[in-house]
Amino acid sequence: LAKTTQPISMDSYEGQEVNITCSHNNIATNDYITWYQQFPSQGPRFIIQGYKTKVTNEVASLFIPADRKSSTLSLPRVSLSDTAVYYCLVVPDNTDKLIFGTGTRLQVFP
Amino acid sequence: NAGVMQNPRHLVRRRGQEARLRCSPMKGHSHVYWYRQLPEEGLKFMVYLQKENIIDESGMPKERFSAEFPKEGPSILRIQQVVRGDSAAYFCASSRLAQQMNTEAFFGQGTRLTVV
Repeated sequence: LAKTTQPISMDSYEGQEVNITCSHNNIATNDYITWYQQFPSQGPRFIIQGYKTKVTNEVASLFIPADRKSSTLSLPRVSLSDTAVYYCLVVPDNTDKLIFGTGTRLQVFP
Repeated sequence: NAGVMQNPRHLVRRRGQEARLRCSPMKGHSHVYWYRQLPEEGLKFMVYLQKENIIDESGMPKERFSAEFPKEGPSILRIQQVVRGDSAAYFCASSRLAQQMNTEAFFGQGTRLTVV
């Protein structure tokens, strides 16, 4: 399974755009890139998933370059409520378990 | 449509007692996953079950831990003879299909087990 590397923590201010980059150099052809968000004392929540290029939903955008060795989660105009841990996962399409790293702890300040 | 329901939310057990954690998946979901999370760490996969079957238990400790997902009723994670190191948050997730593209897993609120 491909290992992921992402910053341990990031700070931002309300209204700013936040970009969290994740490295996955050993990503395989059948792997998808998935991001989850976890608030304190809650279970993780699915944010977005992609295979290549760009994916956008109502919450975030996911940018994946052609070589797929990294990906960037973009959160537009963050608010205090976006303070959470964000996990980047590489998920093969033929397995059934999620392998979580330590994630990126995003702190948004007023 | 209720989400994944876990109970109890908090559980305190003395060393040597048994802990039973319950998980009711979302309606229509037949795949259940259990994860354990220690403070300041990411979630660690423990076991994946379908109705009446254990599909992958590669993350389960070999002793004292067991899991089931009966035909009727919730999935149960059982920890026998608990030790202080078992103190953690245990999360259950469910999905409609096996983890595939566009099939996200929905997590419960977790059960926080404290062993005293």
